[in-house]
Amino acid sequence: EAGVAQSPRYKIIEKRQSVAFWCNPISGHATLYWYQQILGQGPKLLIQFQNNGVVDDSQLPKDRFSAERLKGVDSTLKIQPAKLEDSAVYLCASSLNGHREKLFFGSGTQLSVL
Amino acid sequence: AQKITQTQPGMFVQEKEAVTLDCTYDTSDPSYGLFWYKQPSSGEMIFLIYQGSYDQQNATEGRYSLNFQKARKSANLVISASQLGDSAMYFCAMREGTGGSNYKLTFGKGTLLTVNP
Repeated sequence: EAGVAQSPRYKIIEKRQSVAFWCNPISGHATLYWYQQILGQGPKLLIQFQNNGVVDDSQLPKDRFSAERLKGVDSTLKIQPAKLEDSAVYLCASSLNGHREKLFFGSGTQLSVL
Repeated sequence: AQKITQTQPGMFVQEKEAVTLDCTYDTSDPSYGLFWYKQPSSGEMIFLIYQGSYDQQNATEGRYSLNFQKARKSANLVISASQLGDSAMYFCAMREGTGGSNYKLTFGKGTLLTVNP
């Protein structure tokens, strides 16, 4: 089966510019997650969707980050305007519902803000 | 407070030997799940093993086993017969809650494992 698809793979922008990342989860996975992973650290959850509704966005910097999941399938994460500290890998993951269900991760988008 | 603590920033092991990566967790929820993921230098996150809080036996998946000590709130990963390809970052993660929509995973800071030939 196809895995979690993410694009682009790499992105370099200057601070104060905007950027968008796209994710297509595994077919049938109701839950979609966006994680931010700063170099040398573990992934930090930014936002979690259940179908097209937001379940948790408590750690999303809402003044600059936004995300949507139209029709409960693919999702877009946007940063506007970007700051230097946003340089990180942005990982998208999806899972089935269920306490024991593992997350499947995409390859990530590596963002460099100059 | 940290939900997941991995106290070993880096570990070294000789090829073919076993190694234990430590993980302690903090939760007041009686129902939770513990996961280990591997992240090679290429960046992808690879699922290794899962342990549920009510599981009676320690989880095993091939060369990976989880030493689950519930009273001590620890979930250490044991890798037997290490291989060069095991060199990677290893993350412990926890999922709390019994249902509803709260399936998020909280990750530790990771342990960098290096396998020496």
